[in-house]
Amino acid sequence: NAGVTQTPKFQVLKTGQSMTLQCAQDMNHEYMSWYRQDPGMGLRLIHYSVGAGITDQGEVPNGYNVSRSTTEDFPLRLLSAAPSQTSVYFCASGRTANGNTIYFGEGSWLTVV
Amino acid sequence: AQRVTQPEKLLSVFKGAPVELKCNYSYSGSPELFWYVQYSRQRLQLLLRHISRESIKGFTADLNKGETSFHLKKPFAQEEDSAMYYCALSVRNAGNMLTFGGGTRLMVKP
Repeated sequence: NAGVTQTPKFQVLKTGQSMTLQCAQDMNHEYMSWYRQDPGMGLRLIHYSVGAGITDQGEVPNGYNVSRSTTEDFPLRLLSAAPSQTSVYFCASGRTANGNTIYFGEGSWLTVV
Repeated sequence: AQRVTQPEKLLSVFKGAPVELKCNYSYSGSPELFWYVQYSRQRLQLLLRHISRESIKGFTADLNKGETSFHLKKPFAQEEDSAMYYCALSVRNAGNMLTFGGGTRLMVKP
């Protein structure tokens, strides 16, 4: 049981490049989400999904795209990277969105130059 | 909309000293409150939830609805408590989504 797995762990991108952060969970969780973590701002919700085929926007969705074709996977796409997207990204999953049931991935450190 | 405020970005104490990490929230209804901890370069993990009223690793937190606060306390800090602490709130009518505070970095000096 691997829990929530994120790849890559570290990435450097040039402005304008696109990339995908992968997130996979093996706990058969319906709820999955992506957060970004910035100093002094805590974690902010980017996008979330309550089941395969269902996605919705969180607090800071601009510049990001998601899809949920399977229960296990929830990739986050940066369409055209900008320096403002330099951050640490966390994927989370849970039976529900409730904080009691949420498990986080180890994080992906992204730098956009 | 709900909001969580952690007024201290950094809290530095000596080993053995008492610790209180402050958390205030704004929400007119009955939220669920949580404390998450993130040790250096590790994933976030749930530390406490107000519903269970438990003590984990010597930490306790009491929900004060009158003051809309959920401060995290420990009577005697240990060096291994050094970490980033996040207060979070979830409400039913927002799909139970978590709203996080800005975080407080706790440094426990020897």
